[in-house]
Amino acid sequence: GQNIDQPTEMTATEGAIVQINCTYQTSGFNGLFWYQQHAGEAPTFLSYNVLDGLEEKGRFSSFLSRSKGYSYLLLKELQMKDSASYLCAVRENDYKLSFGAGTTVTVRA
Amino acid sequence: IAGITQAPTSQILAAGRRMTLRCTQDMRHNAMYWYRQDLGLGLRLIHYSNTAGTTGKGEVPDGYSVSRANTDDFPLTLASAVPSQTSVYFCASSDSAGGADTQYFGPGTRLTVL
Repeated sequence: GQNIDQPTEMTATEGAIVQINCTYQTSGFNGLFWYQQHAGEAPTFLSYNVLDGLEEKGRFSSFLSRSKGYSYLLLKELQMKDSASYLCAVRENDYKLSFGAGTTVTVRA
Repeated sequence: IAGITQAPTSQILAAGRRMTLRCTQDMRHNAMYWYRQDLGLGLRLIHYSNTAGTTGKGEVPDGYSVSRANTDDFPLTLASAVPSQTSVYFCASSDSAGGADTQYFGPGTRLTVL
């Protein structure tokens, strides 16, 4: 089983930066994923980390520290379309994903 | 078909009725998954299949069954629906269960059990 914690809600202004933290506890870590989910839609893949460090993909970056059981998703140059829920998911050695409850980000003009 | 499709899109069901949610993917992915998503709880794995002919239990399997007769289809059956099974159900698939292979999600089925 997993304990995956992420904040419930965050609000930021258009053009700003927001950092969504995710902490987890696991007995056998095998990768961490971030998904984006707009209201009423399916989750879509954003990023994957399995080694420590920062993965950058355009305006989105994801960081992982395995020793601390910690990850963050960084959203830069926020746009209105970035208003969504962001899901942190951890994969254990049995290859199944466990999801956090998600962080709802609201971008204001 | 492109990607993953689910049917129906939504359904209202009387308690005690049997219901099968359909999921079909055309990406020839080996692994498939069923999740339910409830407010405040996030996505929880119900059942999964790493390859055609095999299935496994996830975090919340009780009251649900699955089958994987071929690569493309992974139906989820509620044998006797109860109100606590009211949820949004997502099917997902991935090329394999490991590595960087991400899971691709279908559009979801919104199920209400009265």
